[in-house]
Amino acid sequence: DGGITQSPKYLFRKEGQNVTLSCEQNLNHDAMYWYRQDPGQGLRLIYYSQIVNDFQKGDIAEGYSVSREKKESFPLTVTSAQKNPTAFYLCASRRTGGSLAFFGQGTRLTVV
Amino acid sequence: KQEVTQIPAALSVPEGENLVLNCSFTDGAIYNLQWFRQDPGKGLTSLLLIQSSQREQTSGRLNASLDKSSGRSTLYIAASQPGDSATYLCAVIPLDSNYQLIWGAGTKLIIKP
Repeated sequence: DGGITQSPKYLFRKEGQNVTLSCEQNLNHDAMYWYRQDPGQGLRLIYYSQIVNDFQKGDIAEGYSVSREKKESFPLTVTSAQKNPTAFYLCASRRTGGSLAFFGQGTRLTVV
Repeated sequence: KQEVTQIPAALSVPEGENLVLNCSFTDGAIYNLQWFRQDPGKGLTSLLLIQSSQREQTSGRLNASLDKSSGRSTLYIAASQPGDSATYLCAVIPLDSNYQLIWGAGTKLIIKP
C-alpha cells in the first residue's frame, strides 16, 4: 500500500540533545513537508522540499534542519537550538501539480 | 497575509443532528480549499477538496461549500454519528504561495450517543 510512514510515534528528548524524526513515502511524490502542531493552533510549516537535494525554510525553521538526499525520504532534525520542541510533528507529501496532500500519522516529541 | 479562522473551536451535539462547521479566510485569491479530519494523536485525512472555480463538493454525508467573495467555507455533516467525532481542519492554498497550505486551528467535534 502507498503511503507516508513517520517514525517513531513517540520520542523523548533530553535537554541539549539533537533528535531526528523519520519520514518516508512510497507515493513517488516530489514535494514533502514538515509541520508542527501545537494545541489550539493551526499547523505551522517548518521546512519543505519540492525536489531532491533542495529544500526551503518555512515559517518556523529556526532550531530545525532537514535533508533530502532521496525522493522517498525527508528526515527532520530537532536541534538543541529549538528551545520549545515539545509538539506533534506531521510529515506530508504532494504530487507536483496536485492539490491533495497526504499525511503521515505523526510523531509526538516530548522534552524530558 | 492570508489568515484562516475556524469558529467554534469546539462543538458538542447529540447523535443524529445535522451540523455545520465554519471556515473563513481573509483573501479570496486561492487555488482551492480543503477540509481534513484528524483523530486524536493521528495524522490528517483529506475529506473534500474544492477548487477555486467550484461552489461545493459532496462525499457521502459530507458537503462542503466555498464562497470566495465572502471568504467563507462550510462543512455540512448530515445525520451525525459518534464516529464523526474528531477535529476538522480547513486549509487554503493562496495563489501567491508556491502551493503552501495555510491552516485554520480546527474545530473539535464531539458527537454524543
